[in-house]
Amino acid sequence: SQKIEQNSEALNIQEGKTATLTCNYTNYSPAYLQWYRQDPGRGPVFLLLIRENEKEKRKERLKVTFDTTLKQSLFHITASQPADSATYLCAPKGGATNKLIFGTGTLLAVQP
Amino acid sequence: GAVVSQHPSWVICKSGTSVKIECRSLDFQATTMFWYRQFPKQSLMLMATSNEGSKATYEQGVEKDKFLINHASLTLSTLTVTSAHPEDSSFYICSARAGAGVTDTQYFGPGTRLTVL
Repeated sequence: SQKIEQNSEALNIQEGKTATLTCNYTNYSPAYLQWYRQDPGRGPVFLLLIRENEKEKRKERLKVTFDTTLKQSLFHITASQPADSATYLCAPKGGATNKLIFGTGTLLAVQP
Repeated sequence: GAVVSQHPSWVICKSGTSVKIECRSLDFQATTMFWYRQFPKQSLMLMATSNEGSKATYEQGVEKDKFLINHASLTLSTLTVTSAHPEDSSFYICSARAGAGVTDTQYFGPGTRLTVL
């Protein structure tokens, strides 16, 4: 069955450093992958989408990579700030399906 | 940007009662809306997909008679939890998608916290 795994442990980093979050998927060939941010008690907010033919996508301090050979996406936040503290969800999407399937999420805590 | 609202933001009800949650796309027409459920410290689990004017498609293991979905217009979908029980207590989140393309972004509502006593 399709499986999506993200860092299960919370990621604690110091302000100003780069945070790197991992998303691995198995039994799956997504045409593209999305990353979302979720704050406690709130719905997810869309951040970035990367297609299978794109190696890298950037938006301000965010960078996403997509390696279809490794079946992995990496999400980077450079110059991290305490306001970046949240849970980050990856959601690969198969070509024919209508549905977003979410990973387990990684809790990022940026310490001042 | 696209905004999706949910109402109510939280609700507490007695076991056996029914609860209706509304999901509205405020500044766009949503051809498809999705309902998710999220338990504490877990990810979002898709419950059902609804297209305007047609019956919802439920995910495996989700009881369609218990979770009634109505997508009556392009801006409104409702989820009714019938005969709610404490195990139905969860965070319910809807999302809406404007286009039919597979890369069209889903915009999420703020969620509804349901507590069944």
